[in-house]
Parts: sequence; structure tokens; C-alpha cells
Amino acid sequence: GQSLEQPSEVTAVEGAIVQINCTYQTSGFYGLSWYQQHDGGAPTFLSYNGLDGLEETGRFSSFLSRSDSYGYLLLQELQMKDSASYFCAVRDDAGNMLTFGGGTRLMVKP
Amino acid sequence: EAQVTQNPRYLITVTGKKLTVTCSQNMNHEYMSWYRQDPGLGLRQIYYSMNVEVTDKGDVPEGYKVSRKEKRNFPLILESPSPNQTSLYFCASMTHRDFGPYLYFGAGTRLSVL
Repeated sequence: GQSLEQPSEVTAVEGAIVQINCTYQTSGFYGLSWYQQHDGGAPTFLSYNGLDGLEETGRFSSFLSRSDSYGYLLLQELQMKDSASYFCAVRDDAGNMLTFGGGTRLMVKP
Repeated sequence: EAQVTQNPRYLITVTGKKLTVTCSQNMNHEYMSWYRQDPGLGLRQIYYSMNVEVTDKGDVPEGYKVSRKEKRNFPLILESPSPNQTSLYFCASMTHRDFGPYLYFGAGTRLSVL
């Protein structure tokens, strides 16, 4: 089976940088994804790491270390609209199951 | 426009009354899945389907059924709903892009079972 751990809540101020960590235990591993969900909305894809290292997409970056079973999402130049829940997710070896973490609620304050 | 459509968006029902939540995608995706979301528990996978007539259990399949008779549709069936199935449900379909798997989610169905 799969299990993922991420902090339940993070608070930061506008313009700051915040890092949301995700550690996972899996019977197989086929990449780490990140999704954003605003209150009342559906999750939307942010990024994916299939290999170790950093992936950058604008203000958002995601990092993966497979040897440490660890990844993080880095949000820079925080804006109020970044207030949302962020979920990490892993796929199993066969790519059939996508398991999500419990989510991290990010609150951005002025 | 690429989308996953779920219906209904909101549903209040009573214990034991069979219901179906429909899900349709217009992207010709082979993979479709159902999730339920409860506070503090994230998104938990109920069932998934790799292709037509191919379905498999996720983490929390008890009390649910699915079918995949056509590629675009993946309905979720609750034969005898119970209050512990009160939740927010999401249907999703998945494709693979150069950078990896990409899940498209429907807008969600909020179900209350009284």
C-alpha cells in the first residue's frame, strides 16, 4: 500500500516563500505529483516529478528525492490567491493507483 | 473544451435509496477514477478503470459499484447508501503528458445521506 504524510496547515505572508513537504511510503513508486484545490473547487494539477531533482513552473517548483522518499512543493512570491489546499500524490509501479496525501492548507496573510 | 462532467452537483437522499452519480469525459481518456474527499483524510480512491469493461478497487470500495461500458462514461452507483457515505465525490480522468500523468477532475458531487 501507499501512505503519504504532509503538514495539515501552513501560514505565510504575501510575498514570502513557503515549502510544503511530503514524505511517502509505497510498495512501488512511479512519480510524485502535486495538486492545488481552492475551497469549493476541484483539484487541479500543478506539477510532477518522475526523477530526482527540481522541476520549475513559474512561481512554483517541486523537488523529489527518491532515496529519501521525500518531496516538496515550493511556492515563491506568495499571493493571496495561493491560499488553498495542496495535495501530494504518488502512483504505484503499475501506474494504476494514484494515492493522495491528506493535504496541506496554506493560508496567505497580507 | 476538455472537461469531466459530473451530475448531480448536490444530492440529498435517505438511507437505502439507490442512487447513481454520472461522470463523463470528452477527452478520449482510457483511465477514469472516483475519489471521495472527507475533512482531514484527503482524496481517497474508490474505484478506477483502465479501459472499457476493466475496473478495479481502490482504497475504499465498500458500498460502491462502478461500470465502464463506454469509454467516456464511468458512473458511480450506491446500491444502499448509508450516512457514512456522506461526502464530497470527485470523478477524474487521466492522460499522460511529456512530464507525466495528468488528472482532470470533475467539479464534484456533494452527497448527504440522511
